[in-house]
Amino acid sequence: EDKVVQSPLSLVVHEGDTVTLNCSYEVTNFRSLLWYKQEKKAPTFLFMLTSSGIEKKSGRLSSILDKKELFSILNITATQTGDSAVYLCAVPNNNAGNMLTFGGGTRLMVKP
Amino acid sequence: NAGVTQTPKFQVLKTGQSMTLQCAQDMNHNSMYWYRQDPGMGLRLIYYSASEGTTDKGEVPNGYNVSRLNKREFSLRLESAAPSQTSVYFCASSEAPGNYYGYTFGSGTRLTVV
Repeated sequence: EDKVVQSPLSLVVHEGDTVTLNCSYEVTNFRSLLWYKQEKKAPTFLFMLTSSGIEKKSGRLSSILDKKELFSILNITATQTGDSAVYLCAVPNNNAGNMLTFGGGTRLMVKP
Repeated sequence: NAGVTQTPKFQVLKTGQSMTLQCAQDMNHNSMYWYRQDPGMGLRLIYYSASEGTTDKGEVPNGYNVSRLNKREFSLRLESAAPSQTSVYFCASSEAPGNYYGYTFGSGTRLTVV
């Protein structure tokens, strides 16, 4: 059974801090790993990673994948209050037609 | 605005009552999904429809049924609601299974069963 575990469960930081969110996975026939940001409502797509060691970057957010150690990290530098959200990672589930299996999420709160 | 529309946004049911959650997308996507989200559990797939005319069980299908009414609409039915079904429900769509860039979520339905 595919499994995705995120840590920490929650995190409180102050504006300007740098944070690192972790996602480990166990999946047969790995294809990709995705990160989403969820504010009050629906998740929105951030990154899709398929290759080890290649950093994906968007502004202050970046992510990297380690296929040997089966994990990914999401970094956010110079955090802002608008970064407060739940961050989800997910992998395609081979037993359910490529549908996504999600981790439990990391709740990030950025204080002014 | 193009996207995925879910109704209702909030609902309170008594144990044993039935209801249908509606979902419609206007992006001409082939695949549609229903997820539930419980605190600390991320999103779990209930049912999905890879294309019009097909539906399949996901990770947590017990207590639910679905109907893919046409290409646009995918409804989720609770026949006899139980407190364990208290959750936030998300509908999503994508052009095809595996098209993760194009996964679009609705804004969610918060369901409480008392």
